[in-house]
Amino acid sequence: GEDVEQSLFLSVREGDSSVINCTYTDSSSTYLYWYKQEPGAGLQLLTYIFSNMDMKQDQRLTVLLNKKDKHLSLRIADTQTGDSAIYFCAESLWTDKLIFGTGTRLQVFP
Amino acid sequence: DTAVSQTPKYLVTQMGNDKSIKCEQNLGHDTMYWYKQDSKKFLKIMFSYNNKELIINETVPNRFSPKSPDKAHLNLHINSLELGDSAVYFCASSQDRTRGQETQYFGPGTRLLVL
Repeated sequence: GEDVEQSLFLSVREGDSSVINCTYTDSSSTYLYWYKQEPGAGLQLLTYIFSNMDMKQDQRLTVLLNKKDKHLSLRIADTQTGDSAIYFCAESLWTDKLIFGTGTRLQVFP
Repeated sequence: DTAVSQTPKYLVTQMGNDKSIKCEQNLGHDTMYWYKQDSKKFLKIMFSYNNKELIINETVPNRFSPKSPDKAHLNLHINSLELGDSAVYFCASSQDRTRGQETQYFGPGTRLLVL
């Protein structure tokens, strides 16, 4: 089946690292994505990883993929207040559609 | 220079009315999508079109009818609006249909409230 799960909330102090986790069930996923949604705004693509990769780093963002456990994580180094948003992971299936996770609301406090 | 745009941004209407939401992309992409985000922020795909042809049609009431006059536009028409249709509707587009390799770019969303 197609199911993508995330924890609903994460609260971190400014300057710390944030780790947002995601688990998925469909092993046929080809690409996995992280999107950011700021309040009242649309979805912004942050980064993505091909399913045969283990890790991808892009400035403050590090994506880790454990395909055996079907687990994806997004690490944000030196988290800032501007990082406060809802973060969605999504998997891309061979049918072209994206299956989104439930979203994790990240709150950064000073 | 907006990549994916939607109009209107906000839509408040009465139950039973018919309304349309428009989407345009200037990225030269072949595929466009409509997603619905409910009050719990859950996102689900509704439709996708590739070069004006319907590709994905998830379990959506037939009151929802997408229309693609050309590959840069995908409009969503909703008949007989119901309270449960209240949500944020996102349009997205992607370069091509190469399986799983497209990246989808999203519009800002249309916030629909049915009273």
